[in-house]
Amino acid sequence: AQKVTQAQTEISVVEKEDVTLDCVYETRDTTYYLFWYKQPPSGELVFLIRRNSFDEQNEISGRYSWNFQKSTSSFNFTITASQVVDSAVYFCALSEAFVSGAGSYQLTFGKGTKLSVIP
Amino acid sequence: GAGVSQSPSNKVTEKGKDVELRCDPISGHTALYWYRQSLGQGLEFLIYFQGNSAPDKSGLPSDRFSAERTGGSVSTLTIQRTQQEDSAVYLCASSLEQGAISGNTIYFGEGSWLTVV
Repeated sequence: AQKVTQAQTEISVVEKEDVTLDCVYETRDTTYYLFWYKQPPSGELVFLIRRNSFDEQNEISGRYSWNFQKSTSSFNFTITASQVVDSAVYFCALSEAFVSGAGSYQLTFGKGTKLSVIP
Repeated sequence: GAGVSQSPSNKVTEKGKDVELRCDPISGHTALYWYRQSLGQGLEFLIYFQGNSAPDKSGLPSDRFSAERTGGSVSTLTIQRTQQEDSAVYLCASSLEQGAISGNTIYFGEGSWLTVV
């Protein structure tokens, strides 16, 4: 069964610091997809990125970057020069491509990391 | 509509009453999910629809919970005889055909906040 672990429950940084949010996943499937979502205090879940298991290229989008390493089953998220607006709960999620039974269709989420950026 | 729409945004109900939560997915999205998020907790999968059928109901916590989808569009999540532990945010999400197992992005609504008193 798939599993996502976000070991960091809460992180606080001072504005303009860089911060990395860790995500480690478990899956028996060779084809799978990884996602990051942001949940600001207002509550809505905002999609940030999707990555498939065959694409290990790192991605950069503005101040956001993602490091996907299959060797360590990790998909870490770095925010450079953090801003107060980055304060939110960030969720890493995994879906498998192989339907093996109950729960196969779901997107499995980690517990989330609450990031507080202090001005 | 442009995004996933959920109603009501907030619902306060008395213990023992039934509630219905509605989800209107993004137009053209055949995959639809319900998740639950309790205060300070992660996201708990409830049910997945592909069209009007639900191939995965494994997350429904008890037989008090049910969901249906009609016309391949709107879905309703029903909680019968509500209990205080049902208090949570109920999130609906939609995606293109087959949803996450095909790597399609799942887009979430703003949720329905349910409080059982």
